[in-house]
Amino acid sequence: AQKITQTQPGMFVQEKEAVTLDCTYDTSDPSYGLFWYKQPSSGEMIFLIYQGSYDQQNATEGRYSLNFQKARKSANLVISASQLGDSAMYFCAMRESHNDMRFGAGTRLTVKP
Amino acid sequence: NAGVTQTPKFQVLKTGQSMTLQCAQDMNHEYMSWYRQDPGMGLRLIHYSVGAGITDQGEVPNGYNVSRSTTEDFPLRLLSAAPSQTSVYFCASSYSESLGQLETQYFGPGTRLLVL
Repeated sequence: AQKITQTQPGMFVQEKEAVTLDCTYDTSDPSYGLFWYKQPSSGEMIFLIYQGSYDQQNATEGRYSLNFQKARKSANLVISASQLGDSAMYFCAMRESHNDMRFGAGTRLTVKP
Repeated sequence: NAGVTQTPKFQVLKTGQSMTLQCAQDMNHEYMSWYRQDPGMGLRLIHYSVGAGITDQGEVPNGYNVSRSTTEDFPLRLLSAAPSQTSVYFCASSYSESLGQLETQYFGPGTRLLVL
């Protein structure tokens, strides 16, 4: 069975600094995808970044990058140069081949001015 | 494109009442799904559909029914609401259930449901 673990219920970061949000996963399927979503206080789910299990390089999207360590089954999200607008809940999710997307419990990030 | 739309945004029900949460997408996505979000538990899959006429159960299907008569619409029905169904409900869609960047799920704005 799939399992996604986010061990940090809450994180604080100073504005303009970088922060890493942890995510580990458990799967026996060699083919899977990893996703990060942002949920601001307004409630919508915003897609941030995707990493495929066969991708050779770590995914990057602007200030977001995914530190993918396949052997350790971790897919940490790195946000560089944090901004006040980055304060939100962040969810890690995984999707195995022909399977549903499963989510972690989330990490609440607070950016301090 | 409007993306994924959900109605209503808020709803209050009494125990035992029935209602339908509406979800529509205009991206011609094959795959649609319903999640519920409860505090501290992330999102849990209720039901999903890989195409018109095909639906299947997710992680927490009890108390909910779905149908998929068209590609665009995927309504979620609560036949007899219970307080345990108080939650935020999200509808999502993707091009297919396969993997890849195109298969990222895009979410609707959510429906907040309170069952008294």
